[in-house]
Amino acid sequence: KAGVTQTPRYLIKTRGQQVTLSCSPISGHRSVSWYQQTPGQGLQFLFEYFSETQRNKGNFPGRFSGRQFSNSRSEMNVSTLELGDSALYLCASSFSGGELFFGEGSRLTVL
Amino acid sequence: EDQVTQSPEALRLQEGESSSLNCSYTVSGLRGLFWYRQDPGKGPEFLFTLYSAGEEKEKERLKATLTKKESFLHITAPKPEDSATYLCAVQVGYTGNQFYFGTGTSLTVIP
Repeated sequence: KAGVTQTPRYLIKTRGQQVTLSCSPISGHRSVSWYQQTPGQGLQFLFEYFSETQRNKGNFPGRFSGRQFSNSRSEMNVSTLELGDSALYLCASSFSGGELFFGEGSRLTVL
Repeated sequence: EDQVTQSPEALRLQEGESSSLNCSYTVSGLRGLFWYRQDPGKGPEFLFTLYSAGEEKEKERLKATLTKKESFLHITAPKPEDSATYLCAVQVGYTGNQFYFGTGTSLTVIP
């Protein structure tokens, strides 16, 4: 059974640019969540999508957005990048609620 | 304010030297407490879920326990392959998957 796949794994952007990250969940999982991981703050919840609807949202500015497609694949977008957005972005899928299965993450560096 | 605190931040053990990791939490509406293991360059991997005070779960050399205010991850006779960062997370909210994560305990087991 294939795990959660995130692309790209690494990317470098400059301030002011935007970025789109992609996540393919485990087959059959309808819930997809996104987390930002930094050394100082740990994992912070961005948002969760279930059946193409945002079900929960964390305390991040509106520059961070996401969506989920009918096949449960999800994308997140960060606009007007800031240096502080440099982080590991983790996607996690779940069948409905509870145990999360994480991908290996997309490491974003903002210069 | 919902908060999850893990201690210690880092722990070095000799192989075979048992110890415990602590996760204390203050959240409203706890639905479950989860433990994950994260290896460098990887996403977190699920270990345990605990739902009610007094509950215990075991897996190989690991045992997780839960009280009304904290959880412990006991590591018995650890081996070098147990070296990783251990994260605890509390599930909150009425529906869906929203988790608050602690910043983790980095465990190093020395042969």
